[in-house]
Order: sequence, then C-alpha cells, then structure tokens
Amino acid sequence: DSGVTQTPKHLITATGQRVTLRCSPRSGDLSVYWYQQSLDQGLQFLIQYYNGEERAKGNILERFSAQQFPDLHSELNLSSLELGDSALYFCASSVISTNNYGYTFGSGTRLTVV
Amino acid sequence: QKEVEQDPGPLSVPEGAIVSLNCTYSNSAFQYFMWYRQYSRKGPELLMYTYSSGNKEDGRFTAQVDKSSKYISLFIRDSQPSDSATYLCAMSYGGATNKLIFGTGTLLAVQP
Repeated sequence: DSGVTQTPKHLITATGQRVTLRCSPRSGDLSVYWYQQSLDQGLQFLIQYYNGEERAKGNILERFSAQQFPDLHSELNLSSLELGDSALYFCASSVISTNNYGYTFGSGTRLTVV
Repeated sequence: QKEVEQDPGPLSVPEGAIVSLNCTYSNSAFQYFMWYRQYSRKGPELLMYTYSSGNKEDGRFTAQVDKSSKYISLFIRDSQPSDSATYLCAMSYGGATNKLIFGTGTLLAVQP
C-alpha cells in the first residue's frame, strides 16, 4: 500500500455521462497530481494542485476539471465522456510542490466508457 | 517526435541475467531522471532517481545518465522473476515545474 488512496478502482459508464474520481494523498503530502495512462499515449500529466491551489496544468481537456479540498483530498471530474477517455487515471502525491525526485502513485481508477 | 522515447519491448530474459533498459530524450533542459516499476493493474512505484549526469547504485539496480548523449539507462543485475513488470523512465525540468514526462514503458519478463 503506497498510502495514496484512489476510489473507485473500476468504473464503467456510457458516453456522454459524467464521473468523479477521488484521491486521498499520503498523510502529510500537500501536493496532488493527476495522470492519465492509455495504451498508445503512456502516462500523461493532467494537472497538479498544491495545498488547495492549482499549480500546473498539462494536457487536460476542457471537459475535465479537478479540485483539491481543505482536507487535501482531490477529485477529478470527467464530463461528456467519449470512448477515447477510457484509460487508467492515476493520482500521485508529494510533500512539497517542487519535489523533483518523483512522487508516490496510487493504484489508479480504471475507467471504461461504453 | 515524443520528448522521451522508450522501446516498448517485450524483453524476455532468463533468471539471473543482466537486464539493460534505456530511454532517449530530446530536450536538454531535463535535469532530474527517474525510473519507475509498474506491476500489472498497479500504480507506478519509484525505483531510483538521479540528478544530472552520472551513476547511482541501489542493490541490484544501477541508473546511468549521459546528458551529452541524452540517454539514460537502468541495469538490473541477477534478475529475478519478481522483477517482471513494466519499467517506465521519467524526467523533469526541475524548478517550479515538476511535472514528470514519462516514456511509454518497457515490458520485462524474467523467465525462471
């Protein structure tokens, strides 16, 4: 157990729907990162939050949004889902926002859009 | 062209072999280099990290960075069946922007 908790583990939903993925960082970690992993693109950085504030943005679609709450858990909202959004979504956390030595990943949420 | 290139494999080796995994990159601004291991249906797990050029050793694992060639390597000595996983290289620019850029991963199978 890495200490980063993601729920749910699996999600199957229809095109056009909206889902929310949840992440609880390791105790003491203030920074949360979201990544998408697909077979053809590998791990792609989506967005980073630090202590409740957005810190960096990557290749995140406008249909996707995220936030980090005062208790430091984070949610990734995916709307108007398309078949191509099917992927593994990972959350990771680190103590500080400028940790250049890697961070700790959760086990992921596998999203299947049908 | 992707910023980070990694041979997807699969790479199959007998138990006890020395494994060499490699990545090349195009942006010379990368300063921090990492290797992650990912077992099937699990999240990536940080194995090793290095800053700038040079070698770093940790048990059976050795990471090498050659910034002049834009080439990084991970060597696994005395490979075990439990090393069978996907190995991902990752790198970052450092500073305030610490998002990681990942390679697509190399699938390794160590045969008993």
